[in-house]
Amino acid sequence: GAGVSQSPSNKVTEKGKDVELRCDPISGHTALYWYRQRLGQGLEFLIYFQGNSAPDKSGLPSDRFSAERTGESVSTLTIQRTQQEDSAVYLCASSPSRDAAPLHFGNGTRLTVT
Amino acid sequence: ILNVEQSPQSLHVQEGDSTNFTCSFPSSNFYALHWYRWETAKSPKALFVMTLNGDEKKKGRISATLNTKEGYSYLYIKGSQPEDSATYLCALDSNDMRFGAGTRLTVKP
Repeated sequence: GAGVSQSPSNKVTEKGKDVELRCDPISGHTALYWYRQRLGQGLEFLIYFQGNSAPDKSGLPSDRFSAERTGESVSTLTIQRTQQEDSAVYLCASSPSRDAAPLHFGNGTRLTVT
Repeated sequence: ILNVEQSPQSLHVQEGDSTNFTCSFPSSNFYALHWYRWETAKSPKALFVMTLNGDEKKKGRISATLNTKEGYSYLYIKGSQPEDSATYLCALDSNDMRFGAGTRLTVKP
Protein backbone atom coordinates (compact mmCIF):
# COMPACT_ATOMS: atom_id res chain seq x y z
CA GLY A 1 0.00 0.00 0.00
CA ALA A 2 0.96 3.65 -0.17
CA GLY A 3 3.36 4.92 2.42
CA VAL A 4 3.66 8.34 4.03
CA SER A 5 3.90 10.97 1.33
CA GLN A 6 5.54 14.36 1.79
CA SER A 7 5.60 17.31 -0.56
CA PRO A 8 7.49 19.07 -1.87
CA SER A 9 10.60 16.90 -1.72
CA ASN A 10 12.79 19.99 -2.01
CA LYS A 11 12.05 23.63 -1.32
CA VAL A 12 14.34 26.60 -1.73
CA THR A 13 13.01 29.86 -0.37
CA GLU A 14 14.27 33.32 0.41
CA LYS A 15 14.72 34.47 3.97
CA GLY A 16 11.55 36.10 5.22
CA LYS A 17 9.15 34.13 3.02
CA ASP A 18 6.50 31.74 4.37
CA VAL A 19 6.58 28.05 3.44
CA GLU A 20 4.06 25.25 3.77
CA LEU A 21 5.06 21.60 3.95
CA ARG A 22 2.58 18.81 3.43
CA CYS A 23 2.30 15.30 4.83
CA ASP A 24 -0.16 12.62 3.74
CA PRO A 25 -0.10 9.84 6.34
CA ILE A 26 -0.96 6.22 5.75
CA SER A 27 -4.72 5.81 5.65
CA GLY A 28 -6.10 4.86 9.06
CA HIS A 29 -3.08 6.06 11.01
CA THR A 30 -4.31 8.14 13.91
CA ALA A 31 -0.91 9.37 15.12
CA LEU A 32 1.17 11.85 13.11
CA TYR A 33 4.54 13.37 14.03
CA TRP A 34 6.71 16.10 12.56
CA TYR A 35 10.47 16.12 13.07
CA ARG A 36 13.35 18.05 11.60
CA GLN A 37 16.99 17.21 11.10
CA ARG A 38 19.41 20.09 10.78
CA LEU A 39 22.80 19.44 9.25
CA GLY A 40 24.91 17.19 11.47
CA GLN A 41 22.23 16.85 14.11
CA GLY A 42 19.71 14.22 15.19
CA LEU A 43 15.95 14.09 14.81
CA GLU A 44 14.32 17.00 16.62
CA PHE A 45 10.70 16.52 17.69
CA LEU A 46 8.39 19.33 16.56
CA ILE A 47 4.73 18.37 17.01
CA TYR A 48 2.50 15.32 17.54
CA PHE A 49 -1.14 14.77 16.57
CA GLN A 50 -3.21 11.90 17.96
CA GLY A 51 -6.68 11.53 16.52
CA ASN A 52 -8.90 14.45 17.47
CA SER A 53 -6.98 15.27 20.67
CA ALA A 54 -5.21 18.58 21.12
CA PRO A 55 -1.77 18.35 19.50
CA ASP A 56 1.44 18.25 21.52
CA LYS A 57 3.23 21.38 20.31
CA SER A 58 6.01 21.27 22.87
CA GLY A 59 8.74 20.84 20.27
CA LEU A 60 7.92 23.81 18.04
CA PRO A 61 11.01 26.06 18.21
CA SER A 62 9.23 29.41 17.87
CA ASP A 63 5.85 30.99 17.18
CA ARG A 64 6.85 31.19 13.50
CA PHE A 65 6.13 27.45 13.34
CA SER A 66 2.61 26.05 13.26
CA ALA A 67 0.97 22.84 12.12
CA GLU A 68 -2.52 21.68 11.40
CA ARG A 69 -4.18 18.38 10.83
CA THR A 70 -7.80 17.82 9.90
CA GLY A 71 -9.09 14.69 11.58
CA GLU A 72 -6.87 11.78 10.67
CA SER A 73 -5.87 13.05 7.25
CA VAL A 74 -3.29 15.36 5.75
CA SER A 75 -1.15 17.63 7.90
CA THR A 76 0.57 20.87 6.96
CA LEU A 77 3.56 22.43 8.71
CA THR A 78 3.84 26.16 8.13
CA ILE A 79 6.94 28.22 8.77
CA GLN A 80 6.42 31.98 8.65
CA ARG A 81 9.16 34.52 7.95
CA THR A 82 11.73 31.81 7.33
CA GLN A 83 15.24 32.21 8.69
CA GLN A 84 18.45 30.53 7.54
CA GLU A 85 18.51 28.39 10.68
CA ASP A 86 15.22 26.84 9.53
CA SER A 87 17.14 25.04 6.77
CA ALA A 88 16.75 21.33 7.48
CA VAL A 89 15.10 18.13 6.37
CA TYR A 90 11.55 18.03 7.72
CA LEU A 91 10.28 14.49 8.28
CA CYS A 92 6.73 13.37 8.87
CA ALA A 93 5.80 10.00 10.38
CA SER A 94 2.54 8.27 11.14
CA SER A 95 1.48 5.23 13.14
CA PRO A 96 -1.78 3.34 13.56
CA SER A 97 -2.15 3.85 17.31
CA ARG A 98 -0.44 4.51 20.61
CA ASP A 99 -0.07 0.82 21.42
CA ALA A 100 3.62 0.30 20.75
CA ALA A 101 3.20 0.65 16.99
CA PRO A 102 6.25 1.62 14.94
CA LEU A 103 6.43 4.90 13.07
CA HIS A 104 6.32 4.98 9.28
CA PHE A 105 8.34 7.86 7.91
CA GLY A 106 7.97 9.84 4.73
CA ASN A 107 10.98 10.72 2.60
CA GLY A 108 11.11 14.23 3.97
CA THR A 109 11.17 17.76 2.61
CA ARG A 110 14.59 19.36 2.30
CA LEU A 111 14.13 23.07 3.03
CA THR A 112 16.86 25.52 2.12
CA VAL A 113 16.50 29.14 3.18
CA THR A 114 18.79 31.48 1.25
CA ILE B 1 10.53 15.45 28.51
CA LEU B 2 12.66 12.29 28.75
CA ASN B 3 16.21 12.63 27.41
CA VAL B 4 17.37 9.67 25.38
CA GLU B 5 21.13 9.14 25.20
CA GLN B 6 22.87 6.93 22.67
CA SER B 7 26.44 5.71 22.68
CA PRO B 8 28.80 5.60 21.00
CA GLN B 9 28.15 8.49 18.62
CA SER B 10 29.92 6.62 15.83
CA LEU B 11 31.47 3.24 15.31
CA HIS B 12 33.72 1.78 12.65
CA VAL B 13 34.00 -2.02 12.42
CA GLN B 14 35.34 -4.56 9.96
CA GLU B 15 33.07 -6.82 7.98
CA GLY B 16 32.35 -9.90 10.08
CA ASP B 17 32.77 -8.17 13.43
CA SER B 18 29.93 -8.28 15.92
CA THR B 19 29.03 -5.03 17.60
CA ASN B 20 26.58 -3.44 19.98
CA PHE B 21 25.47 -0.02 21.03
CA THR B 22 23.47 1.48 23.85
CA CYS B 23 20.37 3.56 24.35
CA SER B 24 19.86 4.90 27.87
CA PHE B 25 16.94 6.78 29.40
CA PRO B 26 16.13 8.11 32.86
CA SER B 27 12.73 6.61 33.59
CA SER B 28 10.59 3.51 33.23
CA ASN B 29 7.47 5.64 32.74
CA PHE B 30 6.97 5.15 29.02
CA TYR B 31 4.90 3.08 26.62
CA ALA B 32 7.62 1.59 24.45
CA LEU B 33 11.24 1.77 23.35
CA HIS B 34 11.81 1.85 19.58
CA TRP B 35 14.86 1.15 17.42
CA TYR B 36 15.13 2.50 13.87
CA ARG B 37 17.69 2.13 11.13
CA TRP B 38 18.37 5.21 8.99
CA GLU B 39 20.36 4.81 5.82
CA THR B 40 21.79 7.81 4.01
CA ALA B 41 19.31 9.47 1.61
CA LYS B 42 16.47 7.28 2.88
CA SER B 43 13.88 7.59 5.62
CA PRO B 44 14.18 5.83 9.00
CA LYS B 45 12.79 2.30 9.09
CA ALA B 46 11.54 0.55 12.24
CA LEU B 47 13.58 -2.37 13.54
CA PHE B 48 12.04 -3.19 16.90
CA VAL B 49 9.43 -1.94 19.36
CA MET B 50 9.79 -3.20 22.92
CA THR B 51 7.53 -2.61 25.89
CA LEU B 52 8.38 -4.94 28.74
CA ASN B 53 11.38 -5.23 31.01
CA GLY B 54 13.45 -8.14 29.77
CA ASP B 55 12.04 -7.97 26.23
CA GLU B 56 14.32 -9.42 23.60
CA LYS B 57 13.67 -9.06 19.87
CA LYS B 58 15.55 -10.53 16.94
CA LYS B 59 15.49 -9.98 13.19
CA GLY B 60 18.14 -11.93 11.29
CA ARG B 61 21.56 -10.86 12.56
CA ILE B 62 20.17 -7.95 14.56
CA SER B 63 18.73 -8.23 18.05
CA ALA B 64 17.80 -5.92 20.90
CA THR B 65 17.17 -6.12 24.61
CA LEU B 66 15.38 -3.84 27.05
CA ASN B 67 16.08 -3.24 30.75
CA THR B 68 13.53 -0.78 32.09
CA LYS B 69 14.71 -1.05 35.69
CA GLU B 70 18.20 0.20 34.90
CA GLY B 71 17.12 2.35 31.98
CA TYR B 72 18.90 0.98 28.93
CA SER B 73 18.46 -0.96 25.73
CA TYR B 74 21.17 -2.65 23.70
CA LEU B 75 21.18 -3.26 19.95
CA TYR B 76 23.41 -6.08 18.76
CA ILE B 77 24.59 -6.83 15.23
CA LYS B 78 26.21 -10.20 14.66
CA GLY B 79 28.67 -10.61 11.79
CA SER B 80 28.39 -7.02 10.49
CA GLN B 81 28.09 -6.53 6.74
CA PRO B 82 28.76 -3.36 4.70
CA GLU B 83 25.02 -3.06 4.08
CA ASP B 84 24.52 -2.66 7.84
CA SER B 85 26.17 0.75 7.57
CA ALA B 86 23.58 3.27 8.75
CA THR B 87 22.60 5.42 11.69
CA TYR B 88 20.74 3.49 14.37
CA LEU B 89 18.22 5.53 16.33
CA CYS B 90 16.36 4.73 19.50
CA ALA B 91 13.24 6.55 20.60
CA LEU B 92 11.18 6.62 23.76
CA ASP B 93 7.41 6.62 23.36
CA SER B 94 6.09 8.53 26.37
CA ASN B 95 3.78 11.52 25.91
CA ASP B 96 5.46 12.08 22.57
CA MET B 97 8.24 10.27 20.68
CA ARG B 98 11.73 11.59 21.39
CA PHE B 99 14.74 10.27 19.55
CA GLY B 100 18.33 9.93 20.62
CA ALA B 101 21.06 11.44 18.46
CA GLY B 102 21.85 8.01 17.00
CA THR B 103 24.89 5.80 16.54
CA ARG B 104 26.46 6.01 13.09
CA LEU B 105 27.80 2.59 12.13
CA THR B 106 30.29 2.12 9.30
CA VAL B 107 31.19 -1.43 8.30
CA LYS B 108 34.36 -1.67 6.24
CA PRO B 109 34.65 -4.53 3.72
